[in-house]
Amino acid sequence: GAGVSQTPSNKVTEKGKYVELRCDPISGHTALYWYRQSLGQGPEFLIYFQGTGAADDSGLPNDRFFAVRPEGSVSTLKIQRTERGDSAVYLCASSSTGLPFQANVLTFGAGSRLTVL
Amino acid sequence: DQQVKQNSPSLSVQEGRISILNCDYTNSMFDYFLWYKKYPAEGPTFLISISSIKDKNEDGRFTVFLNKSAKHLSLHIVPSQPGDSAVYFCAASPNTDKLIFGTGTRLQVFP
Repeated sequence: GAGVSQTPSNKVTEKGKYVELRCDPISGHTALYWYRQSLGQGPEFLIYFQGTGAADDSGLPNDRFFAVRPEGSVSTLKIQRTERGDSAVYLCASSSTGLPFQANVLTFGAGSRLTVL
Repeated sequence: DQQVKQNSPSLSVQEGRISILNCDYTNSMFDYFLWYKKYPAEGPTFLISISSIKDKNEDGRFTVFLNKSAKHLSLHIVPSQPGDSAVYFCAASPNTDKLIFGTGTRLQVFP
């Protein structure tokens, strides 16, 4: 596609529920990133995929968060037993290269706004 | 531990004047710095970047300055235009796979 597409754009759920957020990166981009932006904060790194594998998942806050990218394109961020503190905008980005970073500018989607009541 | 800091949450500038947005960082291993711009309900978009081996990079109305000894970078926009009104994020990379972002500065350019 022309840009990074994220669905849903808005998701309201109740505490304790399970949520999936989808990211469709730019066609041909091998690297895919998930970030989370809480109110008044900058984007916070969650996980990075190079192809199908998670190259760096050090930003995932706990084991309720999991992400997959089974075919190396679309990725799904999964959140179990949601908590009110999970409320944020979840941003996905993709790029055509990983390292070296100097050649790597991330293109972001518009984000999925998650609200946990 | 906030490794990238933008201490001014907001800035208001008159159209035609210069806008200066500042960013400080703590990690001396950062070797690449970027500025992103974000409009409401949109994702951040890349604006300009600079490698740690340089001290200045210019692209049209936008110039980024890097002072490695002070661990400080700034973004200059001149002349400022109303369409520049947005949130600006400074980001840094320690030559790894991820960017570390600051908290952002909201720029408002008024006529």
